[in-house]
Amino acid sequence: GQGVEQPAKLMSVEGTFARVNCTYSTSGFNGLSWYQQREGQAPVFLSYVVLDGLKDSGHFSTFLSRSNGYSYLLLTELQIKDSASYLCAVRGSNYNVLYFGSGTKLTVEP
Amino acid sequence: EAAVTQSPRNKVAVTGGKVTLSCNQTNNHNNMYWYRQDTGHGLRLIHYSYGAGSTEKGDIPDGYKASRPSQENFSLILELATPSQTSVYFCASGDQGTEVFFGKGTRLTVV
Repeated sequence: GQGVEQPAKLMSVEGTFARVNCTYSTSGFNGLSWYQQREGQAPVFLSYVVLDGLKDSGHFSTFLSRSNGYSYLLLTELQIKDSASYLCAVRGSNYNVLYFGSGTKLTVEP
Repeated sequence: EAAVTQSPRNKVAVTGGKVTLSCNQTNNHNNMYWYRQDTGHGLRLIHYSYGAGSTEKGDIPDGYKASRPSQENFSLILELATPSQTSVYFCASGDQGTEVFFGKGTRLTVV
């Protein structure tokens, strides 16, 4: 099977940063995506990475290490509205299918 | 804009009854998916499809059937609904690219 693991909860403070971790163990690798999901809503695409290193997209940055099966989503200059669940999803050997982690619920406090 | 529409948005079903969840996409994507989301489990893949006429089993297909009669439509069928199938169901579409688009979800309660 495909294993994608994330911590269940994360708390941080407005104006600072938060790092959401994801580890994966899959048969093959064809990219990793991050989604944001607000309570009662559908997941929304944030970022996609397939090569090692840091991808800076402004408010969101994404890091990938394929050799370690590890990624993180970095949110900077946090706002209260960044409070949401963040889902990590991996495409394994089957390029057509996304396997999701359980998500990390981020709470940003004033 | 990419659009995935699910119906119904809410459904209460009786144990042993038949339930059909419908999904329509206007993205012209080849791939469509059905996931369920439960607290502590995240999104789990039930069935998916590569195109009209095809259905494939995901990680948790037991108790579910799927039907893809056209490029646009993908249905999830519970022939004999059970309380353990109470969940939020998401349909999604995508291609061999980077982004998958989700519908707004269907909240199913089996009593």
